[in-house]
Amino acid sequence: EPEVTQTPSHQVTQMGQEVILRCVPISNHLYFYWYRQILGQKVEFLVSFYNNEISEKSEIFDDQFSVERPDGSNFTLKIRSTKLEDSAMYFCASTGRGGSGANVLTFGAGSRLTVL
Amino acid sequence: RKEVEQDPGPFNVPEGATVAFNCTYSNSASQSFFWYRQDCRKEPKLLMSVYSSGNEDGRFTAQLNRASQYISLLIRDSKLSDSATYLCVVNLPEGGGNKLTFGTGTQLKVEL
Repeated sequence: EPEVTQTPSHQVTQMGQEVILRCVPISNHLYFYWYRQILGQKVEFLVSFYNNEISEKSEIFDDQFSVERPDGSNFTLKIRSTKLEDSAMYFCASTGRGGSGANVLTFGAGSRLTVL
Repeated sequence: RKEVEQDPGPFNVPEGATVAFNCTYSNSASQSFFWYRQDCRKEPKLLMSVYSSGNEDGRFTAQLNRASQYISLLIRDSKLSDSATYLCVVNLPEGGGNKLTFGTGTQLKVEL
């Protein structure tokens, strides 16, 4: 079964450092997403990406965050200067269909970010 | 009012029991509805989509009441392996994309 892969599985960083989380979406998917889940809290939308540009972003996705699809396979989330409150599990997801229909997202296993 | 609201539980039930989870959503323009399952420290995985007519998949039955903005999930003959957190998920139409909004989840523990 096709899957979304994420690296690293766990990253520990010092506050103020830059972090890049990487994702390889399912190969024929066109829409890509980042979600995050702070420990014990709900899964929250960060950003959606289509056709090499951000299609929507949440209030959480401020100027410290950026996304990029540098080649045909990787989709990255960069946090420029990490804060303690960025500690969370970050999930990448992808889907082959857009629009408001019954679209199913496939999630990666997540990258756990710990900011010290 | 929360966008998607669920009873956090936990629901502790014996094997073989029937258990029901409820969820309400605030935006009446929501168009797609799902139940996801999340095991501890794992990614959410789709359990089933929820259709207006209601739908069943084996031991799982989902219902949608658009008038009441209410979604339910029924699990029959529960098994130990059903222990997980069940996430009610709604696709809000903002921006026309697939911005899923998750509830906080309802934790289920199935016991011997």
